[in-house]
Amino acid sequence: NAGVTQTPKFQVLKTGQSMTLQCAQDMNHEYMSWYRQDPGMGLRLIHYSVGAGITDQGEVPNGYNVSRSTTEDFPLRLLSAAPSQTSVYFCASGRGGSVNTEAFFGQGTRLTVV
Amino acid sequence: GQQLNQSPQSMFIQEGEDVSMNCTSSSIFNTWLWYKQDPGEGPVLLIALYKAGELTSNGRLTAQFGITRKDSFLNISASIPSDVGIYFCAGEGGATNKLIFGTGTLLAVQP
Repeated sequence: NAGVTQTPKFQVLKTGQSMTLQCAQDMNHEYMSWYRQDPGMGLRLIHYSVGAGITDQGEVPNGYNVSRSTTEDFPLRLLSAAPSQTSVYFCASGRGGSVNTEAFFGQGTRLTVV
Repeated sequence: GQQLNQSPQSMFIQEGEDVSMNCTSSSIFNTWLWYKQDPGEGPVLLIALYKAGELTSNGRLTAQFGITRKDSFLNISASIPSDVGIYFCAGEGGATNKLIFGTGTLLAVQP
């Protein structure tokens, strides 16, 4: 049982480049979400999904797109990377009756935009 | 947006000491969660609390859901070196019904 798997673990992008951060979970969780972690600011919610075909914005959605075509996968797309998007990104999946109760996290993707 | 005030920001203690940290909010939450994050890893769930007044233990860890539903605390008894890491509280519910994280408490344990 792999839990939540994120790829890649590290990435360096040039300003303006696009890329997709991958996230997959094998726990059949309906709820999935993306967070970014910056020093001194904890984890901030970017986008989340309550099930296949359903997504919604979190606290800091600008510059990011998501889609949820299957229960297992929840990719995060950066359309035109900016230095302000340098951060550590965590994907999480959850069970329970609300959006992110008991979220289980992946190991993170460390992104640097130069 | 909603914020959770987590304190202290950091703690430097001797092995064997007890530790206490807490989170407070201006909003009511339906769920409180406590996570630990090791360097280079994602947060790992330690304890989940679902009812006001609930007191739950997980080994040397004890957490409580405040009666007002606006706060929670985490205690670690008899700390050991592997307790080192960043501890996060998280609350679900309130105005947005999403999971909101505190800014973390960095714990350092000296053998």
